[in-house]
Amino acid sequence: QSALTQPASVSGPPGQSITISCTGTSSDVGNFNLVSWYQQHPGKAPKLMIYEVNKRPSGVSDRFSGSKSGNTASLTISGLQAEDEADYYCCSYTGSEGVFGTGTKVTAL
Amino acid sequence: QVQLVESGGGVVQPGTSLILSCAASGFTFSSYGMHWLRQAPGKGLEWVAVIRYDGSNKYYADSVKGRFAISRDDSKNTLYLQMSSLRAEDTAVYYCARDLGYQLILMWSFDIWGHGTMVTVSS
Repeated sequence: QSALTQPASVSGPPGQSITISCTGTSSDVGNFNLVSWYQQHPGKAPKLMIYEVNKRPSGVSDRFSGSKSGNTASLTISGLQAEDEADYYCCSYTGSEGVFGTGTKVTAL
Repeated sequence: QVQLVESGGGVVQPGTSLILSCAASGFTFSSYGMHWLRQAPGKGLEWVAVIRYDGSNKYYADSVKGRFAISRDDSKNTLYLQMSSLRAEDTAVYYCARDLGYQLILMWSFDIWGHGTMVTVSS
């Protein structure tokens, strides 16, 4: 199972909105609504930010939102803040296993 | 509080075996599916294995199938990963994580993570 494709880096000024894409295939992202997103700061364990494409766990800021169209899922961060600087990973169920994206480094310029 | 704590990592030679443990606390361990995931140094996340809440089903990534075995002991609130025939490419931080789903449901989303334990495979 090949990794899902994410841009290596995305950046924007504080206060702006950015979107991270996560492209898979009709066998994973396109076939299941079991897409999740994780935020990882350096040296820390990942944190769940979005599950089932667009649902936020309790305690996650509503500045984070998720969506999906066809084989591509997206994570949008509205009102970018310095604390949002981190690596972000998408993950999808494939029918038999989980597959992660290649990861995106988000920078607030 | 809800917590997962991994242990058992270390430096091992290629071809040898190692067992990782993950101690759970603060929630009803026996009601949740549990996963192992890993992250090679400077690399991205990789899903490794999952076990259902009752141990009835286990699934593995192709990269570890036949070499790794996931298990659980609900009496000890502990998850295990038995790793054999270790290779250099298995070098990574290994995380255990709780599935967001409850009992029969696996949501393939990981809401509670441990801090990780480092496994280095090197001669």
